[in-house]
Amino acid sequence: QSALTQPASVSGSPGQSITISCTGTSSDVGGYNYVSWYQQHPGKAPKLIIFDVSNRPSGVSNRFSGSKSGNTASLTISGLQTEDEADYYCSSYTTITTAIFGGGTKLTVL
Amino acid sequence: QVQLQESGPGLVNLSQTLSLTCTVSGGSISSGDYYWTWIRQHPGKGLEWIGYVYYSGSTYYNPSLESRVTISVDTSKNQFSLRLNSVTAADTAVYYCARDSNGGYGAVDSWGQGTLVTVSS
Repeated sequence: QSALTQPASVSGSPGQSITISCTGTSSDVGGYNYVSWYQQHPGKAPKLIIFDVSNRPSGVSNRFSGSKSGNTASLTISGLQTEDEADYYCSSYTTITTAIFGGGTKLTVL
Repeated sequence: QVQLQESGPGLVNLSQTLSLTCTVSGGSISSGDYYWTWIRQHPGKGLEWIGYVYYSGSTYYNPSLESRVTISVDTSKNQFSLRLNSVTAADTAVYYCARDSNGGYGAVDSWGQGTLVTVSS
């Protein structure tokens, strides 16, 4: 099964908002409300920032929000900060392999 | 606060078996609320789900690796383990043990620091 499709890179200036898309199929993103998003800084383990499409774990800034429409999920980061510069991965439950990740998006804060 | 720590050889010979253990501290692996997961990341690449084990021993594997993978749990030691047979250079990656807190539906809220395993010829 192919990875979920994410843009390779996005960029924004401090204070701006950006959105990262994650496109799958009806067998994964479109079929279940089990989309998660992870933030990964270089050399570090990923950190869960969104689960079940739009829920934030305790301690995660409300500048991070998630949504879904059809087979595409989205992560929006508002009020960009320099520390938001990182790689972002989406994942989804899937009937085929239990879970699948996106290819990752590198966020650059200009 | 639960903590996970991977351990095992950082170098594995071609065609041999990769074996890693994850020690869980700060919480019981038998609590029943979590699925204990292995995920890997090829150098400079994205993440790949390997599979997970429930405290009862039930397992779920990525079909692309299923023929070579075994994940097991030892509740007496609060550990779970990964074995990957017949490794090739394509298995060189950082291996993470982690905890899925959402019924196995993919919300991984705790991660080990990761361990780099290199397959050597």
